[in-house]
Amino acid sequence: AQTVTQSQPEMSVQEAETVTLSCTYDTSESDYYLFWYKQPPSRQMILVIRQEAYKQQNATENRFSVNFQKAAKSFSLKISDSQLGDAAMYFCALSTSGTYKYIFGTGTRLKVLA
Amino acid sequence: DTAVSQTPKYLVTQMGNDKSIKCEQNLGHDTMYWYKQDSKKFLKIMFSYNNKELIINETVPNRFSPKSPDKAHLNLHINSLELGDSAVYFCASSPRGDHLEQFFGPGTRLTVL
Repeated sequence: AQTVTQSQPEMSVQEAETVTLSCTYDTSESDYYLFWYKQPPSRQMILVIRQEAYKQQNATENRFSVNFQKAAKSFSLKISDSQLGDAAMYFCALSTSGTYKYIFGTGTRLKVLA
Repeated sequence: DTAVSQTPKYLVTQMGNDKSIKCEQNLGHDTMYWYKQDSKKFLKIMFSYNNKELIINETVPNRFSPKSPDKAHLNLHINSLELGDSAVYFCASSPRGDHLEQFFGPGTRLTVL
């Protein structure tokens, strides 16, 4: 069975500081993909960043980067220079090739303090 | 131009009623999904369709029936609504369904009284 675990229900960060959100996953497949989605209060789900498991290089998107540790099955999200607009629920997700299925973690609520 | 749209955005109804939620995507994607997000924000897949064919049915009560009249549309019909059906329902689409970004609709908040 595939699982995604986010052990931090809530995190806080001061504006302009850096925060890391944790995610661990479990799958027996070798071909899989990992995602971080953001859900602001508007409820719209927005892709933040995506990582292919076969790529060793960590994905980055502007202020967002991941630390992908394949052996440890860990996929954390780092947000640099946090902004008030980063306040949202963040979901880690896993999909394996050919399954048409995405497994989401329980989410981490990020608060950004001015 | 909205990529994935859902109607209605809010739905309030009585227990026992039947209701439908509609979803349309204009991205030309092959795969569409329905998710349920409960009050604790847990997001769980319900159904997945690829080219109008049902691919995933995640042990959802048979009161829930998805219908895909064409690749661009995936509707969700719910019979005999129960209190526990209250949630936000998201429609999503993706190009090939297994490893690419999913594009989500704005969600439909269903409240069953």
